[in-house]
Amino acid sequence: LAKTTQPISMDSYEGQEVNITCSHNNIATNDYITWYQQFPSQGPRFIIQGYKTKVTNEVASLFIPADRKSSTLSLPRVSLSDTAVYYCLVAITGGFKTIFGAGTRLFVKA
Amino acid sequence: DTGVSQDPRHKITKRGQNVTFRCDPISEHNRLYWYRQTLGQGPEFLTYFQNEAQLEKSRLLSDRFSAERPKGSFSTLEIQRTEQGDSAMYLCASSSHTWDSHNTGELFFGEGSRLTVL
Repeated sequence: LAKTTQPISMDSYEGQEVNITCSHNNIATNDYITWYQQFPSQGPRFIIQGYKTKVTNEVASLFIPADRKSSTLSLPRVSLSDTAVYYCLVAITGGFKTIFGAGTRLFVKA
Repeated sequence: DTGVSQDPRHKITKRGQNVTFRCDPISEHNRLYWYRQTLGQGPEFLTYFQNEAQLEKSRLLSDRFSAERPKGSFSTLEIQRTEQGDSAMYLCASSSHTWDSHNTGELFFGEGSRLTVL
């Protein structure tokens, strides 16, 4: 199983760019990398997914180096409402058990 | 709202009682997942359905836990003889089928059912 490692918490200020890095050293060849956001008392919400290089959508970018052993979620110009827990997930080969780690708690300050 | 719906949102029960949670997935989604989440932890996988078939079941799901998805539509998660350690948020998610088993696709989560066992 591909295990992921993320920082436990991060602090930032409004308007700054935030980069959260996730390590997944034993990712399988065809596994995708997915990031979710979770606010208190709510279910996680999909942010972005990628396989290699760079993926960008309206809320975030995902950078994946060639060796795919890590990935970085980039949140441009964060606001107070981006304070949440961010989870990095790697698909489980051959099955559908999506394994969440403890996530990264991002605190955005005014 | 056509998102994933869970009921009840909150349940307080006494130890030893049985509880049942219901999940209504997004209508065109054939995949349904149950997770359990305790305070400060990420969601823990419990079980997965593809249509009405239960294809994956975590060892976390003891014999007191059972899940069903009759007719491949809504799903129920029942906990028998509840224990204080069962207190948690129970999350349901659904997704549509993709051909690639390496990519679960986007999971759409409900807002969860919070269980408190006294």
